[in-house]
Amino acid sequence: AQSVSQHNHHVILSEAASLELGCNYSYGGTVNLFWYVQYPGQHLQLLLKYFSGDPLVKGIKGFEAEFIKSKFSFNLRKPSVQWSDTAEYFCAVKSGGGYQKVTFGTGTKLQVIP
Amino acid sequence: DGGITQSPKYLFRKEGQNVTLSCEQNLNHDAMYWYRQDPGQGLRLIYYSQIVNDFQKGDIAEGYSVSREKKESFPLTVTSAQKNPTAFYLCASSPDRVTEAFFGQGTRLTVV
Repeated sequence: AQSVSQHNHHVILSEAASLELGCNYSYGGTVNLFWYVQYPGQHLQLLLKYFSGDPLVKGIKGFEAEFIKSKFSFNLRKPSVQWSDTAEYFCAVKSGGGYQKVTFGTGTKLQVIP
Repeated sequence: DGGITQSPKYLFRKEGQNVTLSCEQNLNHDAMYWYRQDPGQGLRLIYYSQIVNDFQKGDIAEGYSVSREKKESFPLTVTSAQKNPTAFYLCASSPDRVTEAFFGQGTRLTVV
């Protein structure tokens, strides 16, 4: 069974600090990986995704993530956070099998202090 | 506008009653999903469907039921067997294997 682990539950950073949120998945086959963001009171939005090719993917708002297959990881990074990045971030994995099961992690709440 | 519509936004029910949450999409997506979101637990998959008349249990299907009679519609019934039904429910859809899931605005169900 596929699963996703996000080890950081709550992260507090000052503006301009660098961000890295961890995401590990367990699934032996082909996967597609995603990071979503949920701003307060808003619905889930896609930040970036990986399905093949260059393991370093860039998303919206200056976010990027690196897929490391050997570590089953897909960590999210941003060099310099802003107060507007305060939100909850979810990592998700979509299995490459016949059924398109999408499994999410437990989420990381990011609070950016001005 | 294309999108996923969940209705209603807020729903109140008495304990012991079944309740059905609506999810409609006009994106022509094949796959549809139901998730439950609880604080600190992320999104947990209840049911998903890849094609009409077919669906699979997710990780927390007990106490829930679904149907997929039309491509556009994937209603979720929260039955009286669900021990802790009060939660935020999210519906999503996806067109294919590599594309992300698109989400509706959610329904907040409160059972009193």
